[in-house]
Amino acid sequence: DVKVTQSSRYLVKRTGEKVFLECVQDMDHENMFWYRQDPGLGLRLIYFSYDVKMKEKGDIPEGYSVSREKKERFSLILESASTNQTSMYLCASSWGSGGYSYEQYFGPGTRLTVT
Amino acid sequence: GQQLNQSPQSMFIQEGEDVSMNCTSSSIFNTWLWYKQDPGEGPVLLIALYKAGELTSNGRLTAQFGITRKDSFLNISASIPSDVGIYFCAGQLSVGNTGKLIFGQGTTLQVKP
Repeated sequence: DVKVTQSSRYLVKRTGEKVFLECVQDMDHENMFWYRQDPGLGLRLIYFSYDVKMKEKGDIPEGYSVSREKKERFSLILESASTNQTSMYLCASSWGSGGYSYEQYFGPGTRLTVT
Repeated sequence: GQQLNQSPQSMFIQEGEDVSMNCTSSSIFNTWLWYKQDPGEGPVLLIALYKAGELTSNGRLTAQFGITRKDSFLNISASIPSDVGIYFCAGQLSVGNTGKLIFGQGTTLQVKP
């Protein structure tokens, strides 16, 4: 079975803190994705990566950065957390090459609260 | 940007009933995916469709990739209480493909025992 794990299920941080969200997949997938999910807004893509050290902006990259130093690990970084970044963060991964992606598998999510 | 229109937004049905939901778009997709999400959890992949006209089943679930490649539906037969959750469709565009998915807004399913 494909397994995508996220470092924390729940996280509470203060405004201005630097926040790291970690995602690890065990299926040797080329592609990895970070989304946030908010009521009424659905799933929105923040960043994705289709290879080690490669990254592409999604639809809402402002206020976020990412790092992919190893194939199995994709990190989302909030440089200076703000209250409007309180959300459910979902990581996903998929097979594919050359920018193509097959079905995405999601992790369990991290519920981040910024106070 | 591109959007998927998923309907209905919510359903409240009796246990044992069949359920049908669908997604439509003005864009052509080369992949349709259906996910289920329980409260506080990540979406779980139910069915993946890759060919126009493809009909695929997963237990009591059946999904089809529309012939026009602009729509897909999901049917659940003989619903049970554990079917409760939010069902999402997702499509991958065939033009300018970068692996990005477009998601529907979700159908919330409630099942009365």
